[in-house]
Amino acid sequence: GDSVTQMEGPVTLSEEAFLTINCTYTATGYPSLFWYVQYPGEGLQLLLKATKADDKGSNKGFEATYRKETTSFHLEKGSVQVSDSAVYFCALRESSGDKLTFGTGTRLAVRP
Amino acid sequence: GAGVSQSPSNKVTEKGKDVELRCDPISGHTALYWYRQSLGQGLEFLIYFQGNSAPDKSGLPSDRFSAERTGGSVSTLTIQRTQQEDSAVYLCASSPVSDYGYTFGSGTRLTVV
Repeated sequence: GDSVTQMEGPVTLSEEAFLTINCTYTATGYPSLFWYVQYPGEGLQLLLKATKADDKGSNKGFEATYRKETTSFHLEKGSVQVSDSAVYFCALRESSGDKLTFGTGTRLAVRP
Repeated sequence: GAGVSQSPSNKVTEKGKDVELRCDPISGHTALYWYRQSLGQGLEFLIYFQGNSAPDKSGLPSDRFSAERTGGSVSTLTIQRTQQEDSAVYLCASSPVSDYGYTFGSGTRLTVV
């Protein structure tokens, strides 16, 4: 079945550091890929998405590129802020289905 | 409303009792999903409703769990004879039929004591 694997957290960075959160997936078809973010005390929010190979999703300074050859969708940001502290979830949605399959989440803590 | 609304936000119940969790999706969203978020476990799919189609119940963990969606809008997730392992945050999400992204509610934190 479909699955998503994320790097384990927590990830602790200093402000303005470069961020990478790894995500790889297993799927039988051609899925759409997503990153969701959950800020403390809030619900999950869609951060960015990519629907086909080589697409780059971007939002709020975050980027992720859909790499079919490596089945990856790593999340990156060039300079993190304290306000980016949250839990980040990678997810996929099969082209033939509707439900999302999520990774276990990666907690990011950014120090001032 | 402007977002997906879930109630109650917190629920503490005794083992063996039944509980009902409510989700009010965004108006016009035809798809509605229930997920469970357990500590360190990520999000687990439970059930999915799309318009008038039969729901996809493939994620329900046992026959103690059931859900209904009345009038294509509000949904209720019912857990009968609750067990301690049912303790988790139950999340509801909705989406338009042709969209790829969900809008999540803030969840109901269920604690079974």
